[in-house]
Amino acid sequence: GNSVTQMEGPVTLSEEAFLTINCTYTATGYPSLFWYVQYPGEGLQLLLKATKADDKGSNKGFEATYRKETTSFHLEKGSVQVSDSAVYFCALSDDSSASKIIFGSGTRLSIRP
Amino acid sequence: GAVVSQHPSRVICKSGTSVKIECRSLDFQATTMFWYRQFPKKSLMLMATSNEGSKATYEQGVEKDKFLINHASLTLSTLTVTSAHPEDSSFYICSARPDLFPYEQYFGPGTRLTVT
Repeated sequence: GNSVTQMEGPVTLSEEAFLTINCTYTATGYPSLFWYVQYPGEGLQLLLKATKADDKGSNKGFEATYRKETTSFHLEKGSVQVSDSAVYFCALSDDSSASKIIFGSGTRLSIRP
Repeated sequence: GAVVSQHPSRVICKSGTSVKIECRSLDFQATTMFWYRQFPKKSLMLMATSNEGSKATYEQGVEKDKFLINHASLTLSTLTVTSAHPEDSSFYICSARPDLFPYEQYFGPGTRLTVT
């Protein structure tokens, strides 16, 4: 079945460091791919998405490229801030109506000042 | 942007009692809403899909008599945990899919349930 695997956390970085959180997926067909962020005590927010191969999603300095050949959707940011501390979830939706989203296990990110 | 609220944000109940959690889409209509459960330091697991005017669709392994879902209007879905037990303690999150933008889901802030 469809699944999402993302790197185990926690990840701790210093402010202004480069961030990569790896995510790979298994799916039939052509899923849409997402990154969600969960700040402490809050619900999930959509960070970025890509709906087809080679698409790049971007938001708030974060980027991820839909790589069909490697079945990956790694999240990157060139210079992290303390306010980026949160839990990040990679996810996929395996149909065009987004009726079922499958989440990865989440990666907790902590940024030191 | 689209806002989804949940009430209450936290609830503590005694074992054997029932507790109701509300999920509301504040500025859009949502025929379809989803209920997730999140265990500590774990990912979200879809429990059920809630459809206005019809019965909810439950994922495999989720007891429909235990987790009652009612989608009474286009902006409100409720999850009732019946005869709660300590193992039901968890973080419950809902999401709503806008009727006008069916390719999106917007998530509520979650409800922390503790059963003593």
